[in-house]
Amino acid sequence: NAGVTQTPKFQVLKTGQSMTLQCAQDMNHEYMSWYRQDPGMGLRLIHYSVGAGITDQGEVPNGYNVSRSTTEDFPLRLLSAAPSQTSVYFCASTTGSTSYNEQFFGPGTRLTVL
Amino acid sequence: SQKIEQNSEALNIQEGKTATLTCNYTNYSPAYLQWYRQDPGRGPVFLLLIRENEKEKRKERLKVTFDTTLKQSLFHITASQPADSATYLCGLKPDTNAGKSTFGDGTTLTVKP
Repeated sequence: NAGVTQTPKFQVLKTGQSMTLQCAQDMNHEYMSWYRQDPGMGLRLIHYSVGAGITDQGEVPNGYNVSRSTTEDFPLRLLSAAPSQTSVYFCASTTGSTSYNEQFFGPGTRLTVL
Repeated sequence: SQKIEQNSEALNIQEGKTATLTCNYTNYSPAYLQWYRQDPGRGPVFLLLIRENEKEKRKERLKVTFDTTLKQSLFHITASQPADSATYLCGLKPDTNAGKSTFGDGTTLTVKP
């Protein structure tokens, strides 16, 4: 299993540009989430999905869109990039089982908005 | 408002000692509390999960306690090693919706030889 994969690893955007961060998992997990992590800080939830076709907002959703057309993929779209969106973005998935409720994180995408 | 606080941003200890990291929360009623390890430039990696009805959980040199009265979790690493140096995050979850977690800012542990 590849686990959770994210592309690209690094990205530089200009203010106002749009882009999509890709996330895929091969563990057949129902739950997937997107977090951002700013320097010296913890993870803040952007959006999450409890299954294909179902998404909901997290703590900091403004400026981001998500969709979940398949179990495997959960892309994050930046509509019009702003310098405040410079951060490291992590995608995570979990089974949602009450016994094994750990989240599996991807390696992250480091985004800089100029 | 809901808040999670992890003790000092940085913790330095000598190899062989026990490291104790603290996670305090307010205005939150988690059903689960998790601890993750994060190395520089990498994604967090799950270590331990403890449920609200459990007082203590162990895994090898790791021990986690959960006191819902004090609204606090303690994370212990016994016989610490330089390889344990990393940032440790605590995350709280409600009983439903496994994908929705709230995390603290993390504590960076440095174990000196």
